[in-house]
Amino acid sequence: SAVISQKPSRDICQRGTSLTIQCQVDSQVTMMFWYRQQPGQSLTLIATANQGSEATYESGFVIDKFPISRPNLTFSTLTVSNMSPEDSSIYLCSARGADGSYNEQFFGPGTRLTVL
Amino acid sequence: GQQLNQSPQSMFIQEGEDVSMNCTSSSIFNTWLWYKQEPGEGPVLLIALYKAGELTSNGRLTAQFGITRKDSFLNISASIPSDVGIYFCAGQEDTNAGKSTFGDGTTLTVKP
Repeated sequence: SAVISQKPSRDICQRGTSLTIQCQVDSQVTMMFWYRQQPGQSLTLIATANQGSEATYESGFVIDKFPISRPNLTFSTLTVSNMSPEDSSIYLCSARGADGSYNEQFFGPGTRLTVL
Repeated sequence: GQQLNQSPQSMFIQEGEDVSMNCTSSSIFNTWLWYKQEPGEGPVLLIALYKAGELTSNGRLTAQFGITRKDSFLNISASIPSDVGIYFCAGQEDTNAGKSTFGDGTTLTVKP
């Protein structure tokens, strides 16, 4: 298994500012992902964070709005840029491929973002 | 993209009752995962299924990978108040860059 931590756990931000969320995994993993989840809703994949190269974004999400870094096999960041109230959501980091278990996917505790 | 139909959307049950929820897909998956999410937390992996027909238990939880590889169910026996939460299924294909497709979730409420 993999234990995933995220910072910050929550934040309240002003419109037009940017927030960077950090994700740390306690072991090397093959794949890392970023999801968005509205309260009471399912998970929407934002992008796959690729180590050493640009992230792969899903339809409706772009790099300028959600720049992602993954400098190594245990760490990734997601930035929510030029925020608006519509960006208020829970952002979840996820990882697969710890200890050779390619298919098991684990989640961090989430970052609860409120944009005023 | 792929879609999963998860049902029921919500359940209100009495403590001690058994619970069953399922997910169906129009596409074949090679792995099924079941998660539980409690308020303010990320989803926690409960059970992973890798073979068609596989039946796997984790305490009072039992999940099965459908023979057609297009469905899976999760059963909870003798429910207790701490079973409250949202349960999500997820399917994975070996293609599609290893991405998981998530169901919409089943919200479980257990009355003591």
